[in-house]
Amino acid sequence: GAVVSQHPSRVICKSGTSVKIECRSLDFQATTMFWYRQFPKQSLMLMATSNEGSKATYEQGVEKDKFLINHASLTLSTLTVTSAHPEDSSFYICSARPFRGGLNEQFFGPGTRLTVL
Amino acid sequence: SQELEQSPQSLIVQEGKNLTINCTSSKTLYGLYWYKQKYGEGLIFLMMLQKGGEEKSHEKITAKLDEKKQQSSLHITASQPSHAGIYLCGADSRSGGSNYKLTFGKGTLLTVNP
Repeated sequence: GAVVSQHPSRVICKSGTSVKIECRSLDFQATTMFWYRQFPKQSLMLMATSNEGSKATYEQGVEKDKFLINHASLTLSTLTVTSAHPEDSSFYICSARPFRGGLNEQFFGPGTRLTVL
Repeated sequence: SQELEQSPQSLIVQEGKNLTINCTSSKTLYGLYWYKQKYGEGLIFLMMLQKGGEEKSHEKITAKLDEKKQQSSLHITASQPSHAGIYLCGADSRSGGSNYKLTFGKGTLLTVNP
């Protein structure tokens, strides 16, 4: 089946530092990858949609300069949280949509728990 | 924007009991997805429904989409502790355009007591 990995699974950093999270589709090509954020006991909030080779589309209220997204290949997208602050602490989940005609499901990574001290 | 209401927010059942989780949309659904999530983990795809009146089953889980394509239900028969988790419904908000994305409900926390 389609597998999506995320790295790292957990990261703790100091306030002001930048953190990069990788999302990889392991056995399929993903034309589109999505980045979500989830707060405790809440649903997933879509942050941005990234298509390979083009700029990411950010949801309203998400700072582009804060959350840098790069989708350099059909199997890799990265999310960099720049100058992280405690309020950026959250669970970040990526998903990948395989290029299959007529089928639109997304496959989700296991998530990355970010804690900013 | 499309909003999804899930009910109930949480549910505690005894092992072996049947249960139903509902997902209601404010707009017509182009695609409705059910996922399961363990706390602190990623989402596991369960089922996708696209056609009005469609019903799909996998093991003891059945999902239905109503004829008007605005409401879906997820039914678990003879629940087991392994069914415990957060169930999320997601809606395809493509609306005919090319900018495909999913909007999620707030989830239903299911606890199954042995």
